[in-house]
Amino acid sequence: GEEVAQTPKHLVRGEGQKAKLYCAPIKGHSYVFWYQQVLKNEFKFLISFQNENVFDETGMPKERFSAKCLPNSPCSLEIQATKLEDSAVYFCASSQGLAAHTDTQYFGPGTRLTVL
Amino acid sequence: AQSVSQHNHHVILSEAASLELGCNYSYGGTVNLFWYVQYPGQHLQLLLKYFSGDPLVKGIKGFEAEFIKSKFSFNLRKPSVQWSDTAEYFCAVLNDYKLSFGAGTTVTVRA
Repeated sequence: GEEVAQTPKHLVRGEGQKAKLYCAPIKGHSYVFWYQQVLKNEFKFLISFQNENVFDETGMPKERFSAKCLPNSPCSLEIQATKLEDSAVYFCASSQGLAAHTDTQYFGPGTRLTVL
Repeated sequence: AQSVSQHNHHVILSEAASLELGCNYSYGGTVNLFWYVQYPGQHLQLLLKYFSGDPLVKGIKGFEAEFIKSKFSFNLRKPSVQWSDTAEYFCAVLNDYKLSFGAGTTVTVRA
């Protein structure tokens, strides 16, 4: 598609429940990025993929967060046993490549996760 | 680690006024710099980008930004704002292929 698509738009979970978020990158883009926006303005990088392969996972909380990008499927970000502090908007972005002319990251609309 | 500072938290101005939002970054090497805008209820959109060449970059909707290497700055400007420019504005630096964002500036334009 021409835009990054994210589903669902809103997700509400009780503490301890699992949450799964999905992202479809722009067609032809090889890189996918996940960011967490807490408190409206603070963005944090979580993980990036080059096609199906993890490219950089330095921002991922290892214990409860996992992510995948499988062929012919939307990418996913899963949080096992959610905690209150996981409440945030999760943005997915994609880029064509990493070179200067292709590294612009285009963002999806985000998924707002509320943990009660 | 890379850091990005946006000096203004909230800016309120009237239509037709000029806008300048400050952005400073901490990294001293080659940088790719971005300004993104988030209109109410919408997702982040790219306003403009600098990666090399002319330090004065022109973006969409009449926005421009100037990269001043000696000051580690990438300030955003618009000569005459409209009510529709009301939004959150984020400066970002690409480092190690991931974006570091500033805290954002809320711009409110009064009609």
